[in-house]
Amino acid sequence: NAGVTQTPKFQVLKTGQSMTLQCAQDMNHEYMSWYRQDPGMGLRLIHYSVGAGITDQGEVPNGYNVSRSTTEDFPLRLLSAAPSQTSVYFCASSYLTGEKLFFGSGTQLSVL
Amino acid sequence: GESVGLHLPTLSVQEGDNSIINCAYSNSASDYFIWYKQESGKGPQFIIDIRSNMDKRQGQRVTVLLNKTVKHLSLQIAATQPGDSAVYFCAENMGGFQKLVFGTGTRLLVSP
Repeated sequence: NAGVTQTPKFQVLKTGQSMTLQCAQDMNHEYMSWYRQDPGMGLRLIHYSVGAGITDQGEVPNGYNVSRSTTEDFPLRLLSAAPSQTSVYFCASSYLTGEKLFFGSGTQLSVL
Repeated sequence: GESVGLHLPTLSVQEGDNSIINCAYSNSASDYFIWYKQESGKGPQFIIDIRSNMDKRQGQRVTVLLNKTVKHLSLQIAATQPGDSAVYFCAENMGGFQKLVFGTGTRLLVSP
């Protein structure tokens, strides 16, 4: 059972480039979410989804876009990368909103 | 939890000691609480959870205590091992299908 799978593990971008962070879960979870984690800070919610076709903004959504066309996949798009988006990104899922979250292993992103 | 900026609170213990990590939560309506462990370079990993109708729950070498009167949650780790070295943080659900809210964490350092 793979759980939550994130790719890539590491990525370096130049300012202005775009890219997509992939996230897939095989637990048939309805709720999926993206967080960023900066040194010494807690997890900050970027976007989330309560089911296929439904997405909403978290506390730090600017510069990011998401879609949820299937239950399994929840990609995060950086539209035009900025150095402020240098961070570690985690995808997480749970059966329902507010329940125990299962996290992926993270993507370390550097924007130069 | 509140952001403590770049410096996480740190608890240093000797191998074999018992560790107690504390968390003050923010909302008296919160009814579900989770402790996570995050090792360096990895995603957060579920340790134990507790609902508000309980004040204590035990797992393997871990115990979570909930004091609703003072809105305080603690994680006790028995016979701490070097492999327990990590950042530990709590999360709360503020009721119903609300999203989890995460604290910033405490770093546990275990020396042999």
